[in-house]
Amino acid sequence: DIQLTQSPSSLSASVGHRVTITCQASQHTSNSINWYQQKPGKPPKLLIYDASNLNVGVPSRFFGGGFGTEFTFTINSLQPEDVAMYYCQQYALLPLTFGGGTKVEIE
Amino acid sequence: EVQVVESGGAPVQPGRSLRLSCAVSGSRFYEYGMHWVRQAPGKGPEWVAGISWNSGETGYGDSVKGRFIISRDNAKNSLYLQMYSLRSEDTALYFCVKDQGSSFTSGAFDIWGQGTMVAVS
Repeated sequence: DIQLTQSPSSLSASVGHRVTITCQASQHTSNSINWYQQKPGKPPKLLIYDASNLNVGVPSRFFGGGFGTEFTFTINSLQPEDVAMYYCQQYALLPLTFGGGTKVEIE
Repeated sequence: EVQVVESGGAPVQPGRSLRLSCAVSGSRFYEYGMHWVRQAPGKGPEWVAGISWNSGETGYGDSVKGRFIISRDNAKNSLYLQMYSLRSEDTALYFCVKDQGSSFTSGAFDIWGQGTMVAVS
């Protein structure tokens, strides 16, 4: 199975600042990484697919990049509504797997 | 607008069986792969099972392989998860999820239901 290691597990930043989350895969995944946002009591929401493609309706301050085993997810200009858990997920190999998650908070 | 509504979750004793259902409306259901993803209280999501548009391919997570069966009925716009030999570790909120593509190995979960709770004890 492909293990996804996210870091940090939590972060706190000021409104307007840039935050970056990394996702390291235990095997090469090409660009087969997606990113999700989950707010309390809600299902996850797809933000980024294929490592760098913004899903329809997702604000452009969200950005994804990377290839192979190292991936990054960035929120440019953090907003109060971005407080949530963020998860990476791979589809390069079955079983499909998720990272452990990153909790994003406002300072 | 695509809507996904799960049902069938319930309290159940270990070793028993349960069948979850999912009704999908507002999309060409028959064109897309579908999944079940679960989330235990306070934990991250875990992929349970996936099925291609025509039921030709299915896949399962390691923890449920051999115990759970995913199926679909395109005529009824419905997805199912038959769960056997339930364990306490199967306790979770089960989400029905639409795939972006026709297979289930494109792996982008773009539409989620609100989930149905399964509690095994």
